[in-house]
Amino acid sequence: DAGVIQSPRHEVTEMGQEVTLRCKPISGHDYLFWYRQTMMRGLELLIYFNNNVPIDDSGMPEDRFSAKMPNASFSTLKIQPSEPRDSAVYFCASRELGVTDTQYFGPGTRLTVL
Amino acid sequence: GESVGLHLPTLSVQEGDNSIINCAYSNSASDYFIWYKQESGKGPQFIIDIRSNMDKRQGQRVTVLLNKTVKHLSLQIAATQPGDSAVYFCAERVWDAGNMLTFGGGTRLMVKP
Repeated sequence: DAGVIQSPRHEVTEMGQEVTLRCKPISGHDYLFWYRQTMMRGLELLIYFNNNVPIDDSGMPEDRFSAKMPNASFSTLKIQPSEPRDSAVYFCASRELGVTDTQYFGPGTRLTVL
Repeated sequence: GESVGLHLPTLSVQEGDNSIINCAYSNSASDYFIWYKQESGKGPQFIIDIRSNMDKRQGQRVTVLLNKTVKHLSLQIAATQPGDSAVYFCAERVWDAGNMLTFGGGTRLMVKP
């Protein structure tokens, strides 16, 4: 298995622009998680899905952030409009219910908002 | 995921020595714990896990110890190698809080050759 796939790996954009991050979970996994990692706040859970349905989005910082999972093999995290304080590494992770509670992480997307 | 924090606690060990990384968790209701390793520029990678009905679990060169009385978790790495240099995170999960993991702040392990 290729593991969790994220794209792009790096994104540099200007303040005010829309940013879309993409994730393909491990095939067969029914949970998908979006995290943000910064020096100041460490690793924070933003939102997670079960069977493509958002379960808990309490970690989403504000309305500028939105996430979707249109099918079992694809999810997006969108920031519109982006701000410099959104600069971070964004990780996607997936998990298979009932087999293990371990979450498997993708390589991350490094976002820089100028 | 490269450098995850300039102010992380750092453990510096000599190659070949054993390493012990500690983690204090917050919730006495946590029933599952994981150790992750994060190398520069990569996502967190699963190392080993343990459930609350155990107090010790061993893997290849790694051992996790759980002390529920004092809410303490440790990761022991035997014969530390340069490739073990990374940031290590513990994570806890509370069963009735859904499937979310709460991550600790991380410890940077530096292995000196």
